[in-house]
Amino acid sequence: DQQVKQNSPSLSVQEGRISILNCDYTNSMFDYFLWYKKYPAEGPTFLISISSIKDKNEDGRFTVFLNKSAKHLSLHIVPSQPGDSAVYFCAASGGGSYIPTFGRGTSLIVHP
Amino acid sequence: DVKVTQSSRYLVKRTGEKVFLECVQDMDHENMFWYRQDPGLGLRLIYFSYDVKMKEKGDIPEGYSVSREKKERFSLILESASTNQTSMYLCASQSGTGDEQYFGPGTRLTVT
Repeated sequence: DQQVKQNSPSLSVQEGRISILNCDYTNSMFDYFLWYKKYPAEGPTFLISISSIKDKNEDGRFTVFLNKSAKHLSLHIVPSQPGDSAVYFCAASGGGSYIPTFGRGTSLIVHP
Repeated sequence: DVKVTQSSRYLVKRTGEKVFLECVQDMDHENMFWYRQDPGLGLRLIYFSYDVKMKEKGDIPEGYSVSREKKERFSLILESASTNQTSMYLCASQSGTGDEQYFGPGTRLTVT
C-alpha cells in the first residue's frame, strides 16, 4: 500500500501561471518531507523540504505547504517556466528512519 | 560541488549475464542507496547501506545483491540478469543525519 501518493500523474500549465503539485501521505510518523525534480536521463535533484514543525517553506519561486491534519502537502511554483518541465517526486521520512518513501511522481509540462 | 557518479549511463546485457553497477560518492556520506525507476512506479528502493560492509534490503531486493567495501563505493549486482530487470537504476547518497539525498545520473540497463 502506498504511503506517499501523488494522485496526478501529469499536469499541464501555461508559462507564467502557477503550478500546484499535490502529495498525500498516510503514515502519521512522517515528519520530514522533500520534493525532488527529475529531468529525463538524469538523476533526481533535491528541490525543497519542510519539517513537520512548519507549515510553509519558501525558496524563490518554489513554496511547499504542509497540512498535517489532512496529511497533505503541496508544491507551488510561481511563475512557472518552460524549464520547470520535469517529473516531480514527493518523499517523506520519519519515525526514526532516515529512509525516504517516494511517491510515483507527477510529470509537469509548462507550455511557452 | 557534491558528486555521485555511476559507472555507466547505458548498458545492454543478455539474459543470464552477471551485471555490476558501480556508484561512487565524494561527500563522505554514511548512507548509500540503490533504486530502480520504472514508468508509473516511481522510485523503488532495492538495497541501502548505512556503513561500510553493512547492507539492508529495501522493498524489491529479489534478484539483486550489493557490496560496500569502501565508504565511497556502493555496487549493485544482478547475479543473473532477466528481462524484467530492464530499468533505470539510480544510486544515491545521504549524510548520516538523514537530510536530502544526492543522486547519480542513472544507468539505463536493457536486458535482452
